[in-house]
Amino acid sequence: DAGVIQSPRHEVTEMGQEVTLRCKPISGHDYLFWYRQTMMRGLELLIYFNNNVPIDDSGMPEDRFSAKMPNASFSTLKIQPSEPRDSAVYFCASSPSSFLGTFGELFFGEGSRLTVL
Amino acid sequence: LAKTTQPISMDSYEGQEVNITCSHNNIATNDYITWYQQFPSQGPRFIIQGYKTKVTNEVASLFIPADRKSSTLSLPRVSLSDTAVYYCLVGGGFQKLVFGTGTRLLVSP
Repeated sequence: DAGVIQSPRHEVTEMGQEVTLRCKPISGHDYLFWYRQTMMRGLELLIYFNNNVPIDDSGMPEDRFSAKMPNASFSTLKIQPSEPRDSAVYFCASSPSSFLGTFGELFFGEGSRLTVL
Repeated sequence: LAKTTQPISMDSYEGQEVNITCSHNNIATNDYITWYQQFPSQGPRFIIQGYKTKVTNEVASLFIPADRKSSTLSLPRVSLSDTAVYYCLVGGGFQKLVFGTGTRLLVSP
């Protein structure tokens, strides 16, 4: 399996521009997660989906952020308009269904490094 | 969600055993304990998961005492390539997973 695939790996944009990050989860995984990592705040969960349905978006910082999962093999995280404080590494992860009362292993992509000037 | 506390950093030398302890005093009955490893410029990678007593795999061992208020990740005979950040997570079911600040392990020659 190719693992979780994210694109782009690096993006540099100017403040005010729209940014779209993409993720292809591992086939057969029911859960998809978007995380953001910065030096100051560490690794933060933004939103997660189960069977393409958003379950918890309480981590989305503000209305400028939106995430969609139109089908089981694709998700996007969009920032519009972008701001310098959005600069971070954004990770997508997928996981199989919970079993035996626990959550399944998270498989992370390599991340998308976003720089907003 | 159970809050976790782990050391900010640890230093070791090649060939030594490293034990990283995580405190989780308010762990719930249905919570599992999971450890992840993260190398620079990569996403975290699952290492091991357990509920109680001891779990061992090809990479590490996880020791959990009877009261489950703490856990210890044991890395046998570390090498330079084990230099990474190690995260302890506690949760279960459909709860969202919270990565703390982790423990930065530096392995020197």
